[in-house]
Amino acid sequence: GAGVSQSPRYKVAKRGQDVALRCDPISGHVSLFWYQQALGQGPEFLTYFQNEAQLDKSGLPSDRFFAERPEGSVSTLKIQRTQQEDSAVYLCASSLRWGSNQPQHFGDGTRLSIL
Amino acid sequence: GIQVEQSPPDLILQEGANSTLRCNFSDSVNNLQWFHQNPWGQLINLFYIPSGTKQNGRLSATTVATERYSLLYISSSQTTDSGVYFCAVESGGSNYKLTFGKGTLLTVNP
Repeated sequence: GAGVSQSPRYKVAKRGQDVALRCDPISGHVSLFWYQQALGQGPEFLTYFQNEAQLDKSGLPSDRFFAERPEGSVSTLKIQRTQQEDSAVYLCASSLRWGSNQPQHFGDGTRLSIL
Repeated sequence: GIQVEQSPPDLILQEGANSTLRCNFSDSVNNLQWFHQNPWGQLINLFYIPSGTKQNGRLSATTVATERYSLLYISSSQTTDSGVYFCAVESGGSNYKLTFGKGTLLTVNP
């Protein structure tokens, strides 16, 4: 597709359930990022992939968060045993090349609500 | 880590007015982007501007990297310009992440 695609757009889950969020980056983009945006705040970095390699996961808030990109294209962010504080918009971004000084292109996000 | 400060935090304009949004950052950057987040939550690229000046229609941006700031100019504002404007910078390191400011909430009234 022309842009970064994320699904679902909205997800409601009960506390304690597991959720999986999908990101389809722009075709051919090497780098993929996940960000978390709390209400009224700017997005914050979660994790970074270069092709299939997860090179940095320092922003993941707990070991309940797990991300993968097994074939270097589609990525999934999984949250286990969800808590209310996990409620946020999760944004995926991709860039054409790895390395510094590359513009990042964002998807529309998945709005996650934990009841 | 790098600090990104945006001002003003809120701005209310009448349609047709001009405005300037500012982004200050605390260290040298490799990448700077301006985004518009519309009321539906979509984060739209406006400019990729680590240095220099760019223009796109009614919008223009200038980054003075040596003085660690960037400005976004909106001329002849329209109601559709409403939303939150974010500045984000990439300051180096091995993960190339963007660090965002807290944004400027712009409301353009008809």
